[in-house]
Amino acid sequence: GAVVSQHPSWVICKSGTSVKIECRSLDFQATTMFWYRQFPKQSLMLMATSNEGSKATYEQGVEKDKFLINHASLTLSTLTVTSAHPEDSSFYICSARDSSGGFSDTQYFGPGTRLTVL
Amino acid sequence: DAKTTQPPSMDCAEGRAANLPCNHSTISGNEYVYWYRQIHSQGPQYIIHGLKNNETNEMASLIITEDRKSSTLILPHATLRDTAVYYCIVRVAFNSGYALNFGKGTSLLVTP
Repeated sequence: GAVVSQHPSWVICKSGTSVKIECRSLDFQATTMFWYRQFPKQSLMLMATSNEGSKATYEQGVEKDKFLINHASLTLSTLTVTSAHPEDSSFYICSARDSSGGFSDTQYFGPGTRLTVL
Repeated sequence: DAKTTQPPSMDCAEGRAANLPCNHSTISGNEYVYWYRQIHSQGPQYIIHGLKNNETNEMASLIITEDRKSSTLILPHATLRDTAVYYCIVRVAFNSGYALNFGKGTSLLVTP
């Protein structure tokens, strides 16, 4: 199946710093990527939808100025957590929809990035 | 998207079939049933999807009732590595470009 990678797999940072997380589709093009957040013992919650070449669409309650999303190419989307605080500590997961044609609305997920803010 | 109902947890003995049910009584005619699973501290993994016919792939089988109001994911010979949270998601497909809405899923524990 299609592969989505994330980098880094885990990161620890100090409060007030910014952290960038990369999401790449390795063997397919993805015009649409999604960013999710998952707190311990909870399900995945959608944060934003990222479309290549346009602004991201954020879910209600997600601060767009705090969680900056850039989808500059068909294989790369980045999420930057600006001025991170301990409450931003979470498991961040991206997914990519294969847009190469034919029936496929299957979304492929990255392995996730564990962010810990001290 | 149609709402789904899954049992919060299930156990299964290794080597036996694991049958995970999902109710989706408000499903619309153009909505598909998707199954994903998430092993602890990993990203979700696609398993299978279907519209109205039963489907089978190398991972699992999906049985959808004739009225499409419920479905069952079958792992024919469960292994310890199948221990995970399994999510049943119902949504429109075909390039809709919408995200998947994850409910609470079923936590499957496969025991030796």
